[in-house]
Amino acid sequence: QKEVEQNSGPLSVPEGAIASLNCTYSDRGSQSFFWYRQYSGKSPELIMSIYSNGDKEDGRFTAQLNKASQYVSLLIRDSQPSDSATYLCAVNIVPGGFKTIFGAGTRLFVKA
Amino acid sequence: DGGITQSPKYLFRKEGQNVTLSCEQNLNHDAMYWYRQDPGQGLRLIYYSQIVNDFQKGDIAEGYSVSREKKESFPLTVTSAQKNPTAFYLCASSRLVLGRNEQFFGPGTRLTVL
Repeated sequence: QKEVEQNSGPLSVPEGAIASLNCTYSDRGSQSFFWYRQYSGKSPELIMSIYSNGDKEDGRFTAQLNKASQYVSLLIRDSQPSDSATYLCAVNIVPGGFKTIFGAGTRLFVKA
Repeated sequence: DGGITQSPKYLFRKEGQNVTLSCEQNLNHDAMYWYRQDPGQGLRLIYYSQIVNDFQKGDIAEGYSVSREKKESFPLTVTSAQKNPTAFYLCASSRLVLGRNEQFFGPGTRLTVL
């Protein structure tokens, strides 16, 4: 059973702090990794994609990938109350394939 | 405006009824997907389709059926055989570029069985 694991949280951080969200996956053949943000009652929104080891930065978001450790993370700098949401980690389990496995998500609360 | 639309937003079903959820995309994406999300849980794949007139079962296909007669449309039927259909249903689409599969989601349909 291919799996994607996340800490369910809630993770609570003060406004302006760095929020760190983590994800591990079981399939060593995975090639594509994604972070989605989902507000309560809404559908997931793609915020980051990462395909190679290292860091990828986009505004306040940084995704980090370590394929040897089967670990992917998302850092949110200068966290804002509007960042309060559930963050889903997703992994393509086969190179070029269409199936994606989603983690159950980590709930983030940013306190004003 | 490019995007994915789902209808209806809310749907109520009596036990024993079949219902069909609509999903349309104008992004010219080849692949389309249906997921189910239960409270506090991740997304589980029901069916997916890579090309017109072809689709594959996901992890929880029992009690569901789909069709893909047009590239833009991928309707999902929840049949009376689905034992616990109350959930949030999400449709997504993607195009495959260099082995990457970024999926974009519609707004979802919330189905409740009365």
